[in-house]
Amino acid sequence: QSALTQPASVSGSPGQSITISCTGTSSDVGSYNLVSWYQQHPGKAPKLMIYEVTKRPSGVSDRFSGSKSDNTASLTISGLQAEDEADYYCCSYAGTRTWVFGGGTKLVVL
Amino acid sequence: EVQLVESGGGLIQPGGSLRLSCAASGFTVSGSYMSWVRQAPGKGLEWVSVIYMGGSTDHADSVKGRFTISRDNSKNTLYLQMNSLRVEDTAVYYCARILAWGMDVWGQGTTVSVSS
Repeated sequence: QSALTQPASVSGSPGQSITISCTGTSSDVGSYNLVSWYQQHPGKAPKLMIYEVTKRPSGVSDRFSGSKSDNTASLTISGLQAEDEADYYCCSYAGTRTWVFGGGTKLVVL
Repeated sequence: EVQLVESGGGLIQPGGSLRLSCAASGFTVSGSYMSWVRQAPGKGLEWVSVIYMGGSTDHADSVKGRFTISRDNSKNTLYLQMNSLRVEDTAVYYCARILAWGMDVWGQGTTVSVSS
């Protein structure tokens, strides 16, 4: 149950687009289209932003989108806004009835 | 309103036990997959345990044999029994509902501190 690999931080200016990667293995990300993404502001509970790789829950802005290629999933945020500054975590079903999170990425809006 | 409210956290000595509770409203825990996720101070999220609709359970290797997830359908409440606690179990513990393989509803978290 090794954690998925995410960059420690990414940054972008308002209006720009950024992409956060999430690399796993053929046993988790590569085997299942069951990757989800979470946004977490300081001191707050995580919020679901993307599930099943590409789907957005009701109420989540369409500026957030997800994709996957082989063992790597990605979260793209377009039209970056100040309120997007937060920590982002990916999560994948890892088989054998377990889940695994990524180490988290701090998004800085310049 | 769909909501989860955790309780039961606190300061405990290494080797001790603690039971966390997560009261659900707006939906039934028995009709959902439910999970516990923890976050150590300044660290990332770590999946801990899951209970399925049928009642079967699974736990992360880091807590297997020490933690047990369960639920009380009559109280619509999820539990996490934590035994043989270690310093490294210090974290904020969140309960979450799993829907369509995403954790769509989260509680506010309860803090567990393991220290002598």
